[in-house]
Amino acid sequence: KQEVTQIPAALSVPEGENLVLNCSFTDSAIYNLQWFRQDPGKGLTSLLLIQSSQREQTSGRLNASLDKSSGRSTLYIAASQPGDSATYLCAAISGAGSYQLTFGKGTKLSVIP
Amino acid sequence: DVKVTQSSRYLVKRTGEKVFLECVQDMDHENMFWYRQDPGLGLRLIYFSYDVKMKEKGDIPEGYSVSREKKERFSLILESASTNQTSMYLCASSSDGWGKEGTEAFFGQGTRLTVV
Repeated sequence: KQEVTQIPAALSVPEGENLVLNCSFTDSAIYNLQWFRQDPGKGLTSLLLIQSSQREQTSGRLNASLDKSSGRSTLYIAASQPGDSATYLCAAISGAGSYQLTFGKGTKLSVIP
Repeated sequence: DVKVTQSSRYLVKRTGEKVFLECVQDMDHENMFWYRQDPGLGLRLIYFSYDVKMKEKGDIPEGYSVSREKKERFSLILESASTNQTSMYLCASSSDGWGKEGTEAFFGQGTRLTVV
């Protein structure tokens, strides 16, 4: 059964820093890996989707990479801003015909002005 | 943009009440899902549906049922609400089975349910 881990659980950085959020998964036979952002009391907003055949995806200041062989994905945020403060979750889809996303428990990011 | 809309942001219900949580998506997606999210436990799948009138149990279906009479609408039903069902409920949809590359999940804004 797929397990997804995100370390650290919380991270605090000063505004302007570049930062990396980590996501690891146990089953390398994944189809997709998706990164989400969640603001307090809100739903999940999709940030980036990486297909298993891809190694990275970029959107604005965000870059997500995928290394299936090592069971890792990273989300890189450039020039962080206070508005980036949120919880970031990664989710893996694995298994033929699987309908289940397996989520990590998230990293709570605080960007200090 | 894909839109997944949950009917309520906040609900307060009494123990023993029958509770309906509604979710509507506007992108003609085949698959719809209900999750609950609790501190320390993360997101857990309750039920999902891959077609109209079809449903499958997720990891924690006990105490819940679902209904999908139309493609765009997926309802979560708490037959007799209990305090341990106090949680954030999240609805999601996707166009294809997630065994297919590139299939993306879209979530609603969440319903914070409190059972007193």
